[in-house]
Amino acid sequence: AQTVTQSQPEMSVQEAETVTLSCTYDTSENNYYLFWYKQPPSRQMILVIRQEAYKQQNATENRFSVNFQKAAKSFSLKISDSQLGDTAMYFCAFMANYGGSQGNLIFGKGTKLSVKP
Amino acid sequence: KAGVTQTPRYLIKTRGQQVTLSCSPISGHRSVSWYQQTPGQGLQFLFEYFSETQRNKGNFPGRFSGRQFSNSRSEMNVSTLELGDSALYLCASRRNSNTEAFFGQGTRLTVV
Repeated sequence: AQTVTQSQPEMSVQEAETVTLSCTYDTSENNYYLFWYKQPPSRQMILVIRQEAYKQQNATENRFSVNFQKAAKSFSLKISDSQLGDTAMYFCAFMANYGGSQGNLIFGKGTKLSVKP
Repeated sequence: KAGVTQTPRYLIKTRGQQVTLSCSPISGHRSVSWYQQTPGQGLQFLFEYFSETQRNKGNFPGRFSGRQFSNSRSEMNVSTLELGDSALYLCASRRNSNTEAFFGQGTRLTVV
């Protein structure tokens, strides 16, 4: 069975600073995807960034980037130039890739990020 | 392009009642998944439907059931409600080959 662990229940960062959220996972699968989702107070779950396990290059999306360490089963999210709108719960998620079909999303418990002015 | 729509947004039910939640996926998406979110257990997978067939199921009791219609809209039903069923129920849709899941805003169910 796959598990996802986020060891930081809460974090805070000053506006314009950089913050890194940690995530580790456990799986025996070789093909899978990893995601970071953001859930603001509106409750809408929004995809921030995704990483295919077979890609060695770390994914980036504007101010968001990941540090994917496959051997260590680590997948951290770095937010640069933090903005007030980044305040939200952040969930790390895993999804196995079984050939042509994908499994369900397995989520960590989340990290509550507060960006302070 | 319309997003994933869940109705109703809020619901209050009494123990022992049953409830039906609805999810309309993004046009063209054939997969619909349901998740339960609670403060204690976090986000847990309920089930996934694809082309009207249940493709995957999480570890929930049989009181939780679902179905998908030919237009890909999905409903989930919870019978004999318990206090512990109070949660945010999230629906997500995706295309067959697209791994990205798009979520709706959820239905907040309160059981009293």
